[in-house]
Order: sequence, then C-alpha cells, then structure tokens
Amino acid sequence: GQQLNQSPQSMFIQEGEDVSMNCTSSSIFNTWLWYKQDPGEGPVLLIALYKAGELTSNGRLTAQFGITRKDSFLNISASIPSDVGIYFCAGQEQGAQKLVFGQGTRLTINP
Amino acid sequence: DTAVSQTPKYLVTQMGNDKSIKCEQNLGHDTMYWYKQDSKKFLKIMFSYNNKELIINETVPNRFSPKSPDKAHLNLHINSLELGDSAVYFCASSLLTHTGELFFGEGSRLTVL
Repeated sequence: GQQLNQSPQSMFIQEGEDVSMNCTSSSIFNTWLWYKQDPGEGPVLLIALYKAGELTSNGRLTAQFGITRKDSFLNISASIPSDVGIYFCAGQEQGAQKLVFGQGTRLTINP
Repeated sequence: DTAVSQTPKYLVTQMGNDKSIKCEQNLGHDTMYWYKQDSKKFLKIMFSYNNKELIINETVPNRFSPKSPDKAHLNLHINSLELGDSAVYFCASSLLTHTGELFFGEGSRLTVL
C-alpha cells in the first residue's frame, strides 16, 4: 500500500531557530497537506498544496509540493514556543478518497 | 461552537465489553471519517461515509461497526473490546472527498483493561 516517510521523527531546537521537515512517498500524489497536532487535540490543517512545484506560505510556515510529486517539505521560520507539537504530512493520489498520513515529526523547543 | 465534536473524550473499559463513540459535525460537510491513532501517534483511516453512504472501509476487524444516521453524524460501535483496541479515535469531516482538507474532532481516548 501507499507509504509516506516523514523525517525527522523528532527535533529539539532553540527558540528562534528555523525548522525544516520533509515527506517522501513511493507513489505520485495529487495533493500534499501539512497538519499540526497539539497535545490532547486533533490535527489541524496548516497548508494544502495541489500543484507540482507549488510553494505556499501561511505566516511563518512555508510548504512546497515537489516537482516529482513524490515529496513535500515544510519550513517554520523563527520558531516560537507555541510551535511545539507533532507535524504530519499527508497525501492523496488522484481520484483517491483516502488520505495517507506520515509518521509525524515531534517538535520540541527549548526557550 | 465546536465544529466536529465527539463523545466521550475518555473511555476506560474492560476487555470483552461493547462501547460506542459518537461524532457530530455542524460544518455542513458531506463526508465524515473515523481515524485511529496508536501509541506511536500513527494516524490510520478506518472508515469514511459520504452522505450516509460507506465509501472507505479499511481492513478493520468486523467488531468495529460504523453507523451514519444522517450526514452530520457518524458513530462507531466496538464489540468485544480487546487490549489492542486501546488508542485515540478521531472523527473528522470534509466538504469534498478529494481535497484532503479534514476537520478533526478532539479525539476519544479508549483504554481497554
């Protein structure tokens, strides 16, 4: 079945640092999305990407849909304490009804 | 107003019992989902309904039975609970099935003793 490899699995950074995480798939995706999950909450959509090569920003967050359509990355600039959480990539093949999630990247920030 | 609400938030029960989790969305979405998140935080889809019709049914034991009485509600009933059923179960909804833009509930943490 489809698999998404997300890396790194965890990150420990200092407040103010930039963060980068990525996701690769074994198949071509039509849609890439990034979600964030806070403790005790459900995932919340951060950015959705629908076109190969697309680069989209949401505040300090920037995500790109890879040209090969098999990868995506998420960058967070100037991290702040509320960025702590688990970030998930997710992808969907064309015409598919099922969204596949990566394993998550757990971000911890030292003040 | 909570967009996707699920109850109960916590559920502790004994092996062999039957339990249900309820979900309601007030977003006017046509599609609803159940996801299971295990202890390693991996999110896996279980079921999806579009306008009360089952459209995704992953390889899930038939002890799990979803029910959608209307497009705003999707419930999950679990029979003969096992230790391995312990997880957080998330309900979600989306306006369209192909965008991947899901709105998740807060989750229901099920602990089977």
